[in-house]
Amino acid sequence: DAGVIQSPRHEVTEMGQEVTLRCKPISGHDYLFWYRQTMMRGLELLIYFNNNVPIDDSGMPEDRFSAKMPNASFSTLKIQPSEPRDSAVYFCASRRQVHTEAFFGQGTRLTVV
Amino acid sequence: AQTVTQSQPEMSVQEAETVTLSCTYDTSESDYYLFWYKQPPSRQMILVIRQEAYKQQNATENRFSVNFQKAAKSFSLKISDSQLGDAAMYFCAYRNAGGTSYGKLTFGQGTILTVHP
Repeated sequence: DAGVIQSPRHEVTEMGQEVTLRCKPISGHDYLFWYRQTMMRGLELLIYFNNNVPIDDSGMPEDRFSAKMPNASFSTLKIQPSEPRDSAVYFCASRRQVHTEAFFGQGTRLTVV
Repeated sequence: AQTVTQSQPEMSVQEAETVTLSCTYDTSESDYYLFWYKQPPSRQMILVIRQEAYKQQNATENRFSVNFQKAAKSFSLKISDSQLGDAAMYFCAYRNAGGTSYGKLTFGQGTILTVHP
């Protein structure tokens, strides 16, 4: 299996622009997670899905952030409009119901200038 | 809510020596999982070791072992015979085994490990 695949690996955008981050979880995994990593706040859970349904979005910082999972093999995290303080590494992870550990993608480094 | 605390922002070790990274957590649950993840400069998050709370025996994976003290809510990682490739950020993480936050993985702040040749 190719593992969790995130795209793009790097994204540089101007303040005010819309940014869409993409994730393909491992096939057969029931859970999908979006995390944000910054120096100041470490790894924060933004939202997670179970069987494509959002379960907990309490970590989503503002209404500018939205996430979707239209099917079992694809999820997006959108920021509109983007701000410099959104600059971070965004990780997607997935896990199968019966497994204990989550598997992470390589992350997307977002820079908003 | 569960919290995970790593009190050592940075640690260093000589190659071939042993180092222990500390982690404490807070939970009211009795059944849960604990993990150590490694994040090298490539930024990939790699699972190092996991521990099920119901198991009394400490988990071991080659040179990596844990000291799980359930009553003290402590979960330290010991790296034996340290290698240059062990240099990375290490994260301790917690997950409930059931309940409303079943899927949620909570991370500590991380410990940067430097390995000196």
